[in-house]
Amino acid sequence: EAGVAQSPRYKIIEKRQSVAFWCNPISGHATLYWYQQILGQGPKLLIQFQNNGVVDDSQLPKDRFSAERLKGVDSTLKIQPAKLEDSAVYLCASSLALSRSETQYFGPGTRLLVL
Amino acid sequence: TQLLEQSPQFLSIQEGENLTVYCNSSSVFSSLQWYRQEPGEGPVLLVTVVTGGEVKKLKRLTFQFGDARKDSSLHITAAQPGDTGLYLCAGARTGGFKTIFGAGTRLFVKA
Repeated sequence: EAGVAQSPRYKIIEKRQSVAFWCNPISGHATLYWYQQILGQGPKLLIQFQNNGVVDDSQLPKDRFSAERLKGVDSTLKIQPAKLEDSAVYLCASSLALSRSETQYFGPGTRLLVL
Repeated sequence: TQLLEQSPQFLSIQEGENLTVYCNSSSVFSSLQWYRQEPGEGPVLLVTVVTGGEVKKLKRLTFQFGDARKDSSLHITAAQPGDTGLYLCAGARTGGFKTIFGAGTRLFVKA
């Protein structure tokens, strides 16, 4: 079974530039998550989708971050414009269903460095 | 302030030693999960505990969920270099679906 795919794996940009990340979840997984993991910290949930609807985006900085999951499969996360403090690993995860104990499968992440 | 506090933050031990890492909260969680994350990779689920007082074993790893469902521990017996990694606890509070992660315990096992 193919895992969660993310691209690009690495990205270096200058502050105020825009950047987009792509995630392809495991086939058949209804729930998709985007996390931000700053160095030395645990992942922080940015947004959670159930199919193509948003379940939780309370920690998404909506003035600069946006995410969509068209057709309930692939998802993109965009930052516009980027700030220095956005330097982090952006992890995408998917799970079969929306449940408190459902296993989340993570992709390898996209490492973003904002200069 | 982290909702899930993990301790210790760092641990460096010799191969063959035993260790315990902790995950504590003042909130009640409907379930807690333990993940291991290796450099350059995403977290991988080790176990989910759901019932207060529950103990689960995975080879040399023993996981326990506190009776009040506010804390959990991970005990590793006879640690091996392959156990090296970042151990994260995560959970959803009772009544919610949002997964909250602790900051993790970074374990290094020397051969």
